[in-house]
Amino acid sequence: KAGVTQTPRYLIKTRGQQVTLSCSPISGHRSVSWYQQTPGQGLQFLFEYFSETQRNKGNFPGRFSGRQFSNSRSEMNVSTLELGDSALYLCASSLNGYSYEQYFGPGTRLTVT
Amino acid sequence: GQNIDQPTEMTATEGAIVQINCTYQTSGFNGLFWYQQHAGEAPTFLSYNVLDGLEEKGRFSSFLSRSKGYSYLLLKELQMKDSASYLCAVRDGDKLIFGTGTRLQVFP
Repeated sequence: KAGVTQTPRYLIKTRGQQVTLSCSPISGHRSVSWYQQTPGQGLQFLFEYFSETQRNKGNFPGRFSGRQFSNSRSEMNVSTLELGDSALYLCASSLNGYSYEQYFGPGTRLTVT
Repeated sequence: GQNIDQPTEMTATEGAIVQINCTYQTSGFNGLFWYQQHAGEAPTFLSYNVLDGLEEKGRFSSFLSRSKGYSYLLLKELQMKDSASYLCAVRDGDKLIFGTGTRLQVFP
């Protein structure tokens, strides 16, 4: 069974731009969650989508948004990028929800200059 | 509030035993996860405890005490490949809260 895939793996953007990251979950998994990981803050939860609906949300500003398609693939968008958005963005899929066992993708390393 | 504490860094010697502690204060509790994350890689699931006691899985064991808000991950017969970050995460209802992780370095 194929694992969780994320594209692109690396991205360099300039302040003020926007970015879209993509995640394809394990086949059959309906839950996709997104996390931001930085050395200082650790793994921070952004949001979870389950069957195309946002089910849980972390404490991030509205510049961070997401969506999920009918095939469970998910995208995350960050608008008006700031230097502090530089991080590893991880997506994870789960059969029943993000508070159950999750399978993480390799992540997208975003650098904002 | 929600709080999960882990030591930031630990070091140990190949072949030794190391215990990584995690204490938590959350409004609810429905289980505790441990994940391993090698540098530059995705976290991978190690264990899940929902009842008090020790769960053993090969060289790795995880312990939970719900009354004390405490868990530990025990790694035996340490190998160089065990050098990684270990993340503790608490399930509270349908929410999951991660600690900042413990970076373990194993030396020969």
